[in-house]
Formats: sequence, C-alpha cells, structure tokens
Amino acid sequence: DQQVKQNSPSLSVQEGRISILNCDYTNSMFDYFLWYKKYPAEGPTFLISISSIKDKNEDGRFTVFLNKSAKHLSLHIVPSQPGDSAVYFCAASDSGGSNYKLTFGKGTLLTVNP
Amino acid sequence: GAGVSQSPSNKVTEKGKDVELRCDPISGHTALYWYRQSLGQGLEFLIYFQGNSAPDKSGLPSDRFSAERTGGSVSTLTIQRTQQEDSAVYLCASSLGGGQGATSYGYTFGSGTRLTVV
Repeated sequence: DQQVKQNSPSLSVQEGRISILNCDYTNSMFDYFLWYKKYPAEGPTFLISISSIKDKNEDGRFTVFLNKSAKHLSLHIVPSQPGDSAVYFCAASDSGGSNYKLTFGKGTLLTVNP
Repeated sequence: GAGVSQSPSNKVTEKGKDVELRCDPISGHTALYWYRQSLGQGLEFLIYFQGNSAPDKSGLPSDRFSAERTGGSVSTLTIQRTQQEDSAVYLCASSLGGGQGATSYGYTFGSGTRLTVV
C-alpha cells in the first residue's frame, strides 16, 4: 500500500522553463512534507519542506505547494537549469506518530535540456 | 566527519552469505537511520536509533536483518543468509536530534551501499 505516490516516473523540460513535479498522498495523518533531490551514486539531499499549516513555501527557484483537501503537493522549479537534472523524491511524516520516520514516493527523474 | 560515510560502496555477495554494512554518521548527530531503496521503489524505512533510547526496528523486513549502534556513533546493519530480494541500495542518514526536528529540516544521507545478491 503506497501512501506517497509520484505518478510520473520521468519529466523532461527545456532550460529556463518551469518544472512541475507532483506528489499525492493517501494518509491523512501526514502533516509534514519534504522534497529530496538525488544525483546518481549520491545520497538524497534535502531540498525544501512544508508544514500542513501552510499552503506554500518558497526558497529561491523552488516552491512547494500543498493542497490538503486534494492530498496533493507539487514542487515548482523556475527557471529550470541543467544542474537540476536529478531524481526528486517526495516524502511525508506524521508529527503525531513516529515523527522521525519519512515515507517516500518512488521518485521522478527530471531531465533539463540545454 | 564532514558527511555521513558508508562502506563498502558496493558489495556483491552470494545468496546465503552474511553481509555487514557500516555507517559513520556526522560527528555529534544523535539520531541515525537506515533506509533501503530497491529497484524502482522509493526509500523504505528500516531502523532508527536516537541516543540511548531503544531503537525503532519496525521497518526491518525479516529476522535476518539486524542493526546495532556502538557508542552512540558507528552503526552496522547485518543481513544474514542473504536472498536475492535483499538486493538494493542501503542508505544511512543522521540528524542532530531526532523527532520532528529531524524530519522538518531533513536528514543528511550517505551515498549508500549497493548490495547485489547473486
């Protein structure tokens, strides 16, 4: 039973355009969401997070949007750069439960073409 | 150290053999986690250590898997009688503290050990 779903295995965009990566979750107890970025042969690195009390969090070129009613979040990268090419994982946690534990999606491979 | 260090980076083993995977967390980080990523899957939680508290082993997939953390620092994940379905990338992470603070600001992951059981 996959509680965090990233339905697009891959996404390809042109440099300078917007990249939108989507994530859906089924567990209504999740109240904290994170995005990680992973390059080949490296561990995932933390990118940005959002609490369920917010619907938007912005950090430079990266913005995460949360729609709690739809149990959906998205990561926007504007403008996209070739160095953004990586696998992006969506992750969620339940602050009232085992709050140290992250549940991850399967990831989306983003390719930014020059 | 500067980051989370894992060894070996790659391990090929024969089915039925035991393997040990090592993790050196960032100095001073009290919380340590093991996750694994099987082919085409997301990261799957295995085990969590926090200070002197009893570890959360709820993610270990079978009793062939065990982990320990000595002296609150280095951790070893042991897989006994390896099976082909154990093939995966095993990732270790650490954080300054545990709990919600760790998930709020993200863990620091190592580069992983790619385990292949043949």
